Amino acid sequence: KAGVTQTPRYLIKTRGQQVTLSCSPISGHRSVSWYQQTPGQGLQFLFEYFSETQRNKGNFPGRFSGRQFSNSRSEMNVSTLELGDSALYLCASSLVLGQETQYFGPGTRLLVL
Amino acid sequence: ELKVEQNPLFLSMQEGKNYTIYCNYSTTSDRLYWYRQDPGKSLESLFVLLSNGAVKQEGRLMASLDTKARLSTLHITAAVHDLSATYFCAVDGVIQGAQKLVFGQGTRLTINP
Repeated sequence: KAGVTQTPRYLIKTRGQQVTLSCSPISGHRSVSWYQQTPGQGLQFLFEYFSETQRNKGNFPGRFSGRQFSNSRSEMNVSTLELGDSALYLCASSLVLGQETQYFGPGTRLLVL
Repeated sequence: ELKVEQNPLFLSMQEGKNYTIYCNYSTTSDRLYWYRQDPGKSLESLFVLLSNGAVKQEGRLMASLDTKARLSTLHITAAVHDLSATYFCAVDGVIQGAQKLVFGQGTRLTINP
């Protein structure tokens, strides 16, 4: 079956702009998590959604937000972009909340100029 | 706070040799993951270790978990070039009431012919 898909794959924005990233989980998976990967900070958990509700949240400012739709697809939004937001954003899906192996998508590489 | 530390962070080895990557974590957890990441790619799940003494093997890779020592190892046997990648361990933990997957810094493995 198809894996996790993320769009777009690459994105260039300028400081102050906002961006929306999309993630479609594996069919039947209801939990979606988002991670930020940077060379300096490594892989950091952003948030997790299940049944259209945010269930867990990492230590990121309020500029980072997300949502999940009834079909389990998820979007992540970053407002007022900063240079430090340049990163690979990874989405992962799992069958249920929190306690299953996560399957990662290819990621969206965001560059903020 | 849950911290996950890997060592070494960089490892260069010759084909045919054996080596071990170590993953230490700071608080109790019953679930540890190993992932592989190729340059510019997403994370590929290798192993999920669920209990003390768990050992899993796939090809030239073997992972083990000692929950009492809070230590997992990823052992590489008779390395081949195709195993060159960055390897991450990750631990499920509860931080400030939220379930999170916390990653180690990653071990960049280079296998030379």
